[in-house]
Amino acid sequence: AQSVTQLDSQVPVFEEAPVELRCNYSSSVSVYLFWYVQYPNQGLQLLLKYLSGSTLVKGINGFEAEFNKSQTSFHLRKPSVHISDTAEYFCAVCPGNTGKLIFGQGTTLQVKP
Amino acid sequence: DVKVTQSSRYLVKRTGEKVFLECVQDMDHENMFWYRQDPGLGLRLIYFSYDVKMKEKGDIPEGYSVSREKKERFSLILESASTNQTSMYLCASTGGSGSPGANVLTFGAGSRLTVL
Repeated sequence: AQSVTQLDSQVPVFEEAPVELRCNYSSSVSVYLFWYVQYPNQGLQLLLKYLSGSTLVKGINGFEAEFNKSQTSFHLRKPSVHISDTAEYFCAVCPGNTGKLIFGQGTTLQVKP
Repeated sequence: DVKVTQSSRYLVKRTGEKVFLECVQDMDHENMFWYRQDPGLGLRLIYFSYDVKMKEKGDIPEGYSVSREKKERFSLILESASTNQTSMYLCASTGGSGSPGANVLTFGAGSRLTVL
């Protein structure tokens, strides 16, 4: 069975500081990997995805993530955050080509002025 | 852009009532999903459908059923609502295997259900 663990439930950070949101997964098959963002009172929006190819993936709003197969990780990073990045972030894996995403518990990013 | 529309953003129902949550997508996607979102638990898959009139159980199907009579519409049904079904419900869709955007879910805005 597949599972996703987001290691931090809340990450407070000051504006313009760098941030890393951690995600580890377990799977016995190859997976596709995703990060989604949810702003207050909205649905989930795709930030970035890893399907194949380069392990460093760039997404919207200056975010990037690196797929590390040996560590089974897909950590999300941004070099300088803004107040508007305050939101909940979800890591997800899709085993094979099923379309069925398995989500982590979510990490709330709180950007302080 | 794909649009997934959930008909009700906020609902308040009483215990024992039958509840329908409707979801419509406009991009001819084969696959549709219903997730439930609770704080600290992330999103959990309730039911999904790979085609019209097809449905498959997800991880937490108990107390729910679904209907997919048309390709663009996927309904979640709570036959007899209970207080532990108070939650945010998210609908999503994606193209079939081999299609552009396969495995990339597009979500609706969510339906927040309160059962009293």
